[in-house]
Amino acid sequence: KNEVEQSPQNLTAQEGEFITINCSYSVGISALHWLQQHPGGGIVSLFMLSSGKKKHGRLIATINIQEKHSSLHITASHPRDSAVYICAAYNNNDMRFGAGTRLTVKP
Amino acid sequence: DGGITQSPKYLFRKEGQNVTLSCEQNLNHDAMYWYRQDPGQGLRLIYYSQIVNDFQKGDIAEGYSVSREKKESFPLTVTSAQKNPTAFYLCASGQGKDYNEQFFGPGTRLTVL
Repeated sequence: KNEVEQSPQNLTAQEGEFITINCSYSVGISALHWLQQHPGGGIVSLFMLSSGKKKHGRLIATINIQEKHSSLHITASHPRDSAVYICAAYNNNDMRFGAGTRLTVKP
Repeated sequence: DGGITQSPKYLFRKEGQNVTLSCEQNLNHDAMYWYRQDPGQGLRLIYYSQIVNDFQKGDIAEGYSVSREKKESFPLTVTSAQKNPTAFYLCASGQGKDYNEQFFGPGTRLTVL
C-alpha cells in the first residue's frame, strides 16, 4: 500500500462542475502539498497546508489531521483546469507523493 | 526572472551511455532535489542536497550520481548502471522550514534507445 493514496485516478467533468480530488496518507506529516502538473510536465505548487482550509481563487484545499485526509476542490471548473493534480506529504525533509489524479474538463 | 531551469527538455541516448541532466536555480535556495516520474507512480526521490558540497541518496539512487559544486547547480548523471533509465526527471529546490516548500523545474524527458 502506498503511503499517499489519491482518488480518483482519472476524472472527467463538464465545464462548470464542482470537482473534488481526495488524498489519504498513512505517514506523519508536517505539511501537505497540492501540486498541479501541466501537460508539458511542469509542476506548480498550489497549496501547502498543515491544518484547516486554504482558498485561492476557485481552488480550495482542506485537511483533516486526525483522519489523515485532504481534499482539493475546484469550483466552476474550466477546461484550463485540465491537468494532473498531485498530493504530497512532507515530514522531516522527506516528501512522499501520490500517483496523481488526471483531470479532464470538457467544454 | 527567478526560477529553476532544466535542460534539455527532451533527451535521447543509446543504451550503455552515461548522460548528464542539467538543473540550475537562481532562487538562492540551499536545498535541491532530483525526482523521477514514471507513468502511474508518484514522484520518487533520487538524490537531494541541503548545502553546497554535500548530497544524500534518496529512495532510488542506484545507477545515478550527482554533484553540488555550486549553490545554483545540481546536475544529475544517469549512468549505464541504471537498468531502466527512460523516465521523466524533475529537479526542485527548497526553502522554508526544513525546506518543505519546493519549487519544480520544467523537467527533462529522457529516452534511452
